[in-house]
Amino acid sequence: GENVEQHPSTLSVQEGDSAVIKCTYSDSASNYFPWYKQELGKRPQLIIDIRSNVGEKKDQRIAVTLNKTAKHFSLHITETQPEDSAVYFCAASYTGTASKLTFGTGTRLQVTL
Amino acid sequence: DGGITQSPKYLFRKEGQNVTLSCEQNLNHDAMYWYRQDPGQGLRLIYYSQIVNDFQKGDIAEGYSVSREKKESFPLTVTSAQKNPTAFYLCASSIHRGNYGYTFGSGTRLTVV
Repeated sequence: GENVEQHPSTLSVQEGDSAVIKCTYSDSASNYFPWYKQELGKRPQLIIDIRSNVGEKKDQRIAVTLNKTAKHFSLHITETQPEDSAVYFCAASYTGTASKLTFGTGTRLQVTL
Repeated sequence: DGGITQSPKYLFRKEGQNVTLSCEQNLNHDAMYWYRQDPGQGLRLIYYSQIVNDFQKGDIAEGYSVSREKKESFPLTVTSAQKNPTAFYLCASSIHRGNYGYTFGSGTRLTVV
């Protein structure tokens, strides 16, 4: 089955700096890669996703890049703000008879003033 | 509540007791999922269902059972066979065909007392 590794497990940045979280996946058939943000005590929320037919996607301050050859994808947050502090999860799945997401172990991002 | 409701929010279980966690969605989603969240381990898939009256085991199904008698409902029973049930349980749903992100419920925190 699919295995998703995520790094780093914790990340501390100063407000205004950029943050990068990286994930690798094992199954070359995976073609869908979403990112979720989970604030303390709350449900994960989808913040951005990318499909294997594109290499990069951007939405305001967040962007995701995908390298299919190397089987890794990354989340980039620019101009970080205190409200970006949360746990971020990457995930991967493929379109098939069992389209289910495999999640990474999460990155706790702390944005300090 | 974003169209997917979990109840109760907090649940306490005595040793040897079965408990059932409720998950209801009004999004007309075909697929539903149960994940378990433990600190530092991300989200691990327990069971999932892509159609009424059908469900499949995930990566950590032992000690759990589910049913899918209605499209809107996917209850999870934590049985006495689950030796370490204390965790945060998240239910999610998605459109089945194609890859789309999940909508998560707000979770149930289960504690063994």
